[in-house]
Amino acid sequence: DVKVTQSSRYLVKRTGEKVFLECVQDMDHENMFWYRQDPGLGLRLIYFSYDVKMKEKGDIPEGYSVSREKKERFSLILESASTNQTSMYLCASSSTGGIDIQYFGAGTRLSVL
Amino acid sequence: TQLLEQSPQFLSIQEGENLTVYCNSSSVFSSLQWYRQEPGEGPVLLVTVVTGGEVKKLKRLTFQFGDARKDSSLHITAAQPGDTGLYLCAGANEYGNKLVFGAGTILRVKS
Repeated sequence: DVKVTQSSRYLVKRTGEKVFLECVQDMDHENMFWYRQDPGLGLRLIYFSYDVKMKEKGDIPEGYSVSREKKERFSLILESASTNQTSMYLCASSSTGGIDIQYFGAGTRLSVL
Repeated sequence: TQLLEQSPQFLSIQEGENLTVYCNSSSVFSSLQWYRQEPGEGPVLLVTVVTGGEVKKLKRLTFQFGDARKDSSLHITAAQPGDTGLYLCAGANEYGNKLVFGAGTILRVKS
């Protein structure tokens, strides 16, 4: 079974802190994604990566950066957390070729106070 | 930008009733996927439809992809409390490597 593991289920941070969200997948997938999920808005793509050290902006990249130094790990970074970044963050991975089936982690619920 | 309009946003029904969830867009998608998400978990894929007009059945769930590959529906027959959850549709772009998600339908089935 594909496993996508997010390092934290719940995080509480203060405004202005630097926040790291970690995601690891064990299926040797090329593609990895970070989404945020807010009520009534569905999942919105923040960044995705199709290879090590490669990244592309999604629909809402402002205020975020990412790092992919190893194939299995994709990190989301909030350089200076703000209250409007309070949300559920979901990581996903998929393989290249054919139909893109994304496998999701359980999510990190981040609260910025 | 591709958009997917999903409706209804909320659905609360009694056990045994039927229901349909819709996803509509003005864009064409190479494939469309339906996910189900339970509280505290990430979305889990239910089905992928690829061909215009395609119909897939998964027990009491029937999924249909529109002929023009711009819309899709999920029909549940004789809903059960175990069907409760958030249902998300997602359309794949022409390269198949990015998904656009609908806003989701929260389904509650009461016993």
